[in-house]
Parts: sequence; structure tokens; C-alpha cells
Amino acid sequence: EAGVTQFPSHSVIEKGQTVTLRCDPISGHDNLYWYRRVMGKEIKFLLHFVKESKQDESGMPNNRFLAERTGGTYSTLKVQPAELEDSGVYFCASSQNAGGAFFGQGTRLTVV
Amino acid sequence: RKEVEQDPGPFNVPEGATVAFNCTYSNSASQSFFWYRQDCRKEPKLLMSVYSSGNEDGRFTAQLNRASQYISLLIRDSKLSDSATYLCVVRSGGSNYKLTFGKGTLLTVNP
Repeated sequence: EAGVTQFPSHSVIEKGQTVTLRCDPISGHDNLYWYRRVMGKEIKFLLHFVKESKQDESGMPNNRFLAERTGGTYSTLKVQPAELEDSGVYFCASSQNAGGAFFGQGTRLTVV
Repeated sequence: RKEVEQDPGPFNVPEGATVAFNCTYSNSASQSFFWYRQDCRKEPKLLMSVYSSGNEDGRFTAQLNRASQYISLLIRDSKLSDSATYLCVVRSGGSNYKLTFGKGTLLTVNP
């Protein structure tokens, strides 16, 4: 069974540009999460989808971040315009129920 | 107070040693508890869930004390391959399955 996959694995963009990250969850997992780890800090929750609906987006830093999950399958996280402080590793995870979530390999975003 | 706090570490132990990780959480309504491990520049991987009665998986033992809001992970007979960052993770209750992570404790097992 395929795990959670994320694309791209790395992205280097200039301040002010736009970047879109993609996550394909494990097939059949209704719950999809986005997390972010900034250098030296703990992994922080961004938002949670149940199917195509946003269940909790309390962790989204500001309105430069937009997440979608059309059709309840894959999800995208767009950062527009990117700022230096957005650099970090963005993880996507999925779960079917209240058990542990399974993480993708992450997208390492560097804003220069 | 942070939602999930762990020993800051790092821990450096010889092969074969027993090592214990401690974690406390602030939200008494938390319902599920996990230990994840994260290797350098990799994603977190679920190591084990933590149950109220305590649970064991080979060399790994996890315990939960709801009254004290405390979670622990014990690794016996540590191996070189156990070297990683260990993350204490707590899930909120209800329909919100949000996971809250501790900062992690780095373990290095030396030959």
C-alpha cells in the first residue's frame, strides 16, 4: 500500500513568489493534516481536513496560506506571497480514525 | 506552559543501556497519546500508541498517568539503530483529531 506522498521534496523560491505544495494521503484516509517544522522548533499543526471540509484551520499562520482538498482526495497548500519566515519543512499526514497519523516525507521549503 | 513538554536532552548512552523519556501534557481533555521517532531529515514515524494500562512492544514500554498528565517511554537494551529524535504526541478529544507535538528528545546510542 502506498504511503503519504508529497511533492516537491524540496523547493527554493525567492521572497514574494508563490509555491504550491501537494499531498496525496493514504487511499481511504478521510483525515488529512498539514504540519510545519521551522528550524529549531517543534512540529506545529497548520490545519486538518475531513474529506473535503476544513475541520480545523487554527494553526494557519496568516492569509498568505491557502489549503484546499477538492474532492476529498489530494490536498494542496499554497503560500502566496512567500516570506523568509515561511522556510521550513512542511509535512502532510493522514489517518482513518483517531489512531496515529502517518506522515509523508515532507517538503523542505527555502525562501531566499 | 507548553501543551506538550519533553525532556530537552540530548541523551547519549552506550549500547545495551536502558533509557527513559518523559513527557507531560497540559490539556486534561486529551484522549490519545503516541510516541513517534524521527530520524535526521526524515518524517516522523509512529513508534507506538500509549494506553492507560501501559503497553509493551519488544524492548519498548510506554506508560500513561492521566492523573499526573504524564507519559513515558522506556527503551531497554538500546541498539545503535535506536538513535533518533523521540517525539511525544498528544491528540485532542472529540471530533478534532489534531496532534500536538513535543519538541522531541534526541537520543544517540554509542558503540
